[in-house]
Amino acid sequence: DAGVIQSPRHEVTEMGQEVTLRCKPISGHNSLFWYRQTMMRGLELLIYFNNNVPIDDSGMPEDRFSAKMPNASFSTLKIQPSEPRDSAVYFCASSFPNVETQYFGPGTRLLVL
Amino acid sequence: GESVGLHLPTLSVQEGDNSIINCAYSNSASDYFIWYKQESGKGPQFIIDIRSNMDKRQGQRVTVLLNKTVKHLSLQIAATQPGDSAVYFCAEKNSGAGSYQLTFGKGTKLSVIP
Repeated sequence: DAGVIQSPRHEVTEMGQEVTLRCKPISGHNSLFWYRQTMMRGLELLIYFNNNVPIDDSGMPEDRFSAKMPNASFSTLKIQPSEPRDSAVYFCASSFPNVETQYFGPGTRLLVL
Repeated sequence: GESVGLHLPTLSVQEGDNSIINCAYSNSASDYFIWYKQESGKGPQFIIDIRSNMDKRQGQRVTVLLNKTVKHLSLQIAATQPGDSAVYFCAEKNSGAGSYQLTFGKGTKLSVIP
């Protein structure tokens, strides 16, 4: 079975550019989570969706970040404009309904120059 | 605020020995705990979980112990192998209704010496 799929795996961009990260959750999972991982702050929850509806976006750093989930099999995390401090690994995870165990994708390594 | 933390940031273990990775949590309302393994360049991978109504759970070569009295969680790996080298994270879930968010600790790096 395919796990969580993320694209791109690596992204290098210049400050001010728009960045879009993509995620396809595991089929049948109805919860989707976006995390950011840095050495300094560890793994931070940015936002999570339940049945395609954003439930908690309190972890989104600022208005430059936005996330959407137009259907059960696709989500995007967008940063516009990007800044060097956004450089991190961004993970998407998904879980079955009413189950705590989250399954992570391979991550997108973002470098903003 | 309440958070999950780790006692040891790094741990070096001889191949074949047992490993113990510790985690302290401060939220007494947490009712679910989970351990993840993250290898270099990969996403966190589920290892084992435990609910607050249990104090021990065993998997293949791994055991998780939960001590609610002192709010302590540990992961034991038997006969540690080079493939166990990774960063290990504990995470907790608050028992708040409708919430399935996990709060992660900072991680412990396990290095297995051949």
